[in-house]
Amino acid sequence: DAGVIQSPRHEVTEMGQEVTLRCKPISGHNSLFWYRQTMMRGLELLIYFNNNVPIDDSGMPEDRFSAKMPNASFSTLKIQPSEPRDSAVYFCASSSRQGMAGELFFGEGSRLTVL
Amino acid sequence: AQSVTQLGSHVSVSEGALVLLRCNYSSSVPPYLFWYVQYPNQGLQLLLKYTTGATLVKGINGFEAEFKKSETSFHLTKPSAHMSDAAEYFCAVSAQTGANNLFFGTGTRLTVIP
Repeated sequence: DAGVIQSPRHEVTEMGQEVTLRCKPISGHNSLFWYRQTMMRGLELLIYFNNNVPIDDSGMPEDRFSAKMPNASFSTLKIQPSEPRDSAVYFCASSSRQGMAGELFFGEGSRLTVL
Repeated sequence: AQSVTQLGSHVSVSEGALVLLRCNYSSSVPPYLFWYVQYPNQGLQLLLKYTTGATLVKGINGFEAEFKKSETSFHLTKPSAHMSDAAEYFCAVSAQTGANNLFFGTGTRLTVIP
């Protein structure tokens, strides 16, 4: 079975541009998570969805960040406008156990560089 | 609220030596505890987890961890380090009830010296 698929793997953009990161969770998983990883702050949970519904977006740093999950097999994380401090690796993860802790399956990440 | 603290951002061991990575947690409710490993340019993979029951849990690649409630600890160990164990290790906690999101520690980078 395919794992969590993220695209693009690498993105280099200029400040002010819109960035869209994409994620396809594992089929059958009903929870999806977006994390950001930086050297300074480590792994931060940005937002997570259960059954396509956003449950907790308190980790989204600013209004410039938005996430959607239009269906069970696709999610996007958008940054508009992007800033250099948004440079990080963004991970998507999915899980099959709602309401209790289950194993998270991570994608390989999208490395974003904002110049 | 849940949180974890990993003591030591970098740990170096000789090949064949004991690996000990420390994790202490804070949780207002009974926790689930996890160790994940991240190899370069990859996502995180689950090593092992504690949910309920036996406090000594065994994971992949010879790793194990013991849940000690009295010490609020969940340290990761491996009797004999292998070169392939070089990676970054993350401890994580979530609540046994309610939300299923994980809270990660800041990670410990393990270096194995030949």
